[in-house]
Amino acid sequence: DVKVTQSSRYLVKRTGEKVFLECVQDMDHENMFWYRQDPGLGLRLIYFSYDVKMKEKGDIPEGYSVSREKKERFSLILESASTNQTSMYLCASSFSGSNQPQHFGDGTRLSIL
Amino acid sequence: GDSVTQMEGPVTLSEEAFLTINCTYTATGYPSLFWYVQYPGEGLQLLLKATKADDKGSNKGFEATYRKETTSFHLEKGSVQVSDSAVYFCALSEGGAQKLVFGQGTRLTINP
Repeated sequence: DVKVTQSSRYLVKRTGEKVFLECVQDMDHENMFWYRQDPGLGLRLIYFSYDVKMKEKGDIPEGYSVSREKKERFSLILESASTNQTSMYLCASSFSGSNQPQHFGDGTRLSIL
Repeated sequence: GDSVTQMEGPVTLSEEAFLTINCTYTATGYPSLFWYVQYPGEGLQLLLKATKADDKGSNKGFEATYRKETTSFHLEKGSVQVSDSAVYFCALSEGGAQKLVFGQGTRLTINP
């Protein structure tokens, strides 16, 4: 089975802190994604990566950055956390090519106080 | 841009009832279509998919047919169970990088 592991299930940080969310997949997937999930808004794509050291902005990249130094690991960075970044963050991965489904981690519920 | 619209929730049904969750999409090309399910406290799991017009995806008693003429991908199940209680997301893929565009999700509660 595909395993996408997010480093924390729950995280509490303070405004202004630099926050790192880590995601690791074990299926040699080329693509990796970071979403945030908010009630009534569904999932919104923050950033994605289709190869090591490559990244593309999603729909809501402001206030975030990412890092992909190894194929299996994709990190989301909140440069200076703000309360409006309190959310559920979901990582996903997939093979490249058409019609490939994405596989999701269990999510990190991040609270910024 | 591409978009997905799902029926508003929450939806509450009794066990063994028939389920339909409506999903329509707007896309410039020929996307693949997906239904994902999210159980409480978990991430999303792929429920089923269809990759071209008239394809039917099915899994765990759920079905959805890719209708190009009505740009729809409605999710159906003939007899729901309490264990089907979850949030259901319709999504389409766009582009070679498999970016997904999600609907807002429909919360389903099944009462015994």
